[in-house]
Amino acid sequence: AAGVIQSPRHLIKEKRETATLKCYPIPRHDTVYWYQQGPGQDPQFLISFYEKMQSDKGSIPDRFSAQQFSDYHSELNMSSLELGDSALYFCASGAGGPQETQYFGPGTRLLVL
Amino acid sequence: QKEVEQNSGPLSVPEGAIASLNCTYSDRVSQSFFWYRQYSGKSPELIMSIYSNGDKEDGRFTAQLNKASQYVSLLIRDSQPSDSATYLCAVNWRGGGSEKLVFGKGMKLTVNP
Repeated sequence: AAGVIQSPRHLIKEKRETATLKCYPIPRHDTVYWYQQGPGQDPQFLISFYEKMQSDKGSIPDRFSAQQFSDYHSELNMSSLELGDSALYFCASGAGGPQETQYFGPGTRLLVL
Repeated sequence: QKEVEQNSGPLSVPEGAIASLNCTYSDRVSQSFFWYRQYSGKSPELIMSIYSNGDKEDGRFTAQLNKASQYVSLLIRDSQPSDSATYLCAVNWRGGGSEKLVFGKGMKLTVNP
């Protein structure tokens, strides 16, 4: 079965640079969620989209922005990168509904030097 | 502040034993509960979902939900070394037209051969 696709899988950037992470949800899933997971931490919700509209916002820094496109893929844009942004970034997709289950992609490991 | 609490770990059990993982949550409105397994450096993988009070069994895994006590647990029977991972309890909150999956801190399980 098709799963959530994320690219790139690994990314190395320097401080103050910009990064763009991409997420392709499971086919027919209309909801995308972004999470950040620091070393030894649980995943922290950043932002979500439903039908190309932002549906919820969590602890996402103002330096980050995201959007969902007409084909339901999503991009997380991160500017003015800081050392503390080094983390695993997961995208999850869901089919909506009251008992929605979120399925996670493999993640993008971002290292900021 | 909606919270998901997992009992402190790590947990170590011998191969073949039963591993018991517990989780409490703070919001009575929560309707969907999930257990995810996460290997180091990998993405969370859904193990079980449960929505109604009682037990739900899937192979060696049993999830138990008690909404009155705001308590959800995961039992792993006949534990195998391959079960060694971090187990994340997650609760899906719906409110204000949005949904959010909130994770506990995770419990690291080690199954010793």
